[in-house]
Amino acid sequence: DAGITQSPRHKVTETGTPVTLRCHQTENHRYMYWYRQDPGHGLRLIHYSYGVKDTDKGEVSDGYSVSRSKTEDFLLTLESATSSQTSVYFCASGWGGKNIQYFGAGTRLSVL
Amino acid sequence: ELKVEQNPLFLSMQEGKNYTIYCNYSTTSDRLYWYRQDPGKSLESLFVLLSNGAVKQEGRLMASLDTKARLSTLHITAAVHDLSATYFCASLPKDNDMRFGAGTRLTVKP
Repeated sequence: DAGITQSPRHKVTETGTPVTLRCHQTENHRYMYWYRQDPGHGLRLIHYSYGVKDTDKGEVSDGYSVSRSKTEDFLLTLESATSSQTSVYFCASGWGGKNIQYFGAGTRLSVL
Repeated sequence: ELKVEQNPLFLSMQEGKNYTIYCNYSTTSDRLYWYRQDPGKSLESLFVLLSNGAVKQEGRLMASLDTKARLSTLHITAAVHDLSATYFCASLPKDNDMRFGAGTRLTVKP
């Protein structure tokens, strides 16, 4: 998985609670991405980062925030989780632009 | 609206048979990606197609790109059980904005 680690791998939480997912990469990639995967939708981009403290919104960013304080770490936060955010979340990293993205193993999040 | 449509979404085939997965995308893009995902696993890059007419082959898989038709195909030759997985195509209408199809779940039966 190209040195990309996601934690936790599984999480169950309740509606209204804050949740933070972590992505850690050892490839020194400049770009990092968060996606969610839902049946019938493939993967959809939530946010991405193009450097420390530099982030931008993706296709489905509402309800999510991100932070990147170090090159190797990219955090995804759900400030107040909702049932519609039940999904599998994938982190990816790469050199950006048109280059290949390398994916982590995913985090399965259930919001009850 | 940007769309990437794959068909079929589910494919069950016999070992030894050939089949093609189609990927249509709605906006101009000069690059098309194919990924493979095994159940519960991450996505693995298979091919990156860089220009019109590009063809790439790896083992029993061959991918092609027609940018004028906005169509990419993934052809499977003489399928084997190990090819069972979900295959995604992804278009890149602009840098860092990768748009995925819904995926084709392939099952190869003996």
